[in-house]
Amino acid sequence: EAGVTQFPSHSVIEKGQTVTLRCDPISGHDNLYWYRRVMGKEIKFLLHFVKESKQDESGMPNNRFLAERTGGTYSTLKVQPAELEDSGVYFCASSQEIGSLETQYFGPGTRLLVL
Amino acid sequence: AQSVAQPEDQVNVAEGNPLTVKCTYSVSGNPYLFWYVQYPNRGLQFLLKYITGDNLVKGSYGFEAEFNKSQTSFHLKKPSALVSDSALYFCAVRDRGDYKLSFGAGTTVTVRA
Repeated sequence: EAGVTQFPSHSVIEKGQTVTLRCDPISGHDNLYWYRRVMGKEIKFLLHFVKESKQDESGMPNNRFLAERTGGTYSTLKVQPAELEDSGVYFCASSQEIGSLETQYFGPGTRLLVL
Repeated sequence: AQSVAQPEDQVNVAEGNPLTVKCTYSVSGNPYLFWYVQYPNRGLQFLLKYITGDNLVKGSYGFEAEFNKSQTSFHLKKPSALVSDSALYFCAVRDRGDYKLSFGAGTTVTVRA
């Protein structure tokens, strides 16, 4: 079974540019999460999808970040325009269902560097 | 609110020695606790979790963790470390009824041959 995949693995852009990150969850997983780790600090929650619906986007830093999950399959996270403080590692995770036994499985992350 | 503290940025041990990575947590209710590991150039891999029941949880690669409610701790342990255990370890907590994971800052483990 394929795990969570993310593309690209690395991205280097200049301040003010746009970047789109993609996440493909494990097949059959309705729940998809985005997290971010900035400058070696804690990994922080950004948002949660159930199928194509946003359940919780309380962790999104500001309106420069837009997440979508068309058709309830893969998800994209767009940063427009990017700022220096957006640099970090963006992780995607998926899980089959919400509940006491739920485990979130993570992808390899996208390393974003904004210059 | 929920939070996790990993008091050690780095842990260095010799191969064959016991390995302990410390984690303390804070939640308003009963916790679900997790350990993840990130090997170089790899994603976060799930190691083990505590949901309920036995306080000693066994996971992948010979790791185990002990839930201590009175000390609000969930330390990760391995009786005999391997060089291949060198990685970045994250402790995470989720309050029951919530789905967001809160992570610690991570602990870099280096096992020397």
